[in-house]
Amino acid sequence: QSVLTQPPSASGTPGQRVTISCSGSNSNVGNNNVNWYQQLPGTAPRLLIYTTDRRPSGVPDRFSGSKSGTSASLAISDLQSEDEADYYCASWDDNLYGHVFGPGTKVTVL
Amino acid sequence: QLQLQESGPGLVKASETLSLTCSVSGGSIIGNKFYWGWIRQPPGKGLEWIASLSKTTGRSFYNPSLKSRVTISFDTSNNQFSLRLTSVTAADTALYYCAREDYYNGRGPDFDYWGQGALVTVSS
Repeated sequence: QSVLTQPPSASGTPGQRVTISCSGSNSNVGNNNVNWYQQLPGTAPRLLIYTTDRRPSGVPDRFSGSKSGTSASLAISDLQSEDEADYYCASWDDNLYGHVFGPGTKVTVL
Repeated sequence: QLQLQESGPGLVKASETLSLTCSVSGGSIIGNKFYWGWIRQPPGKGLEWIASLSKTTGRSFYNPSLKSRVTISFDTSNNQFSLRLTSVTAADTALYYCAREDYYNGRGPDFDYWGQGALVTVSS
């Protein structure tokens, strides 16, 4: 059972905007940064968003992150076929004193 | 460009010890503010953080559910760090990733560089 909650799946057609939610608590999302990782099929996870809303070099600005209270979101605008992947949110948890990951959301491009 | 590469036995017998090494190239594991960590992913499942360690500060953090069985250490002469997981069971079968953890200037902490992963299967 994950400490963070994500929907198992999300989908959209090319060009659409897709949003993935990540729900936590005051000990993690509410009080700490949120990071998002993209895992393409058969590959290692890749840091997509860090410190809630920052993009590492090389990540398209179609990807954006936000947070409000104990919930965070990842938005993918102008959805493209290469965005089909699993997306994980993650945060530090002050009670567990460690990193926690969400269960992941599989994004399908229809 | 920083690169990480996991290595170790792909098959471990139940009740024995899993040992993996992460070789780091393109940067040093000492003399900086990064942590170095391990994350695993059971087949078809999500990510689980195992542990993180800083060579510079000596501080370490462990997943409470694994802490009693995990040891993470450095081999600075070879720019490597290692994971040992004792008393393994089938539930420890997973793809094991090593990663660099950045927390500098209030960012993250996040895992910004990852190895490609090493599959470890626990056999009965």
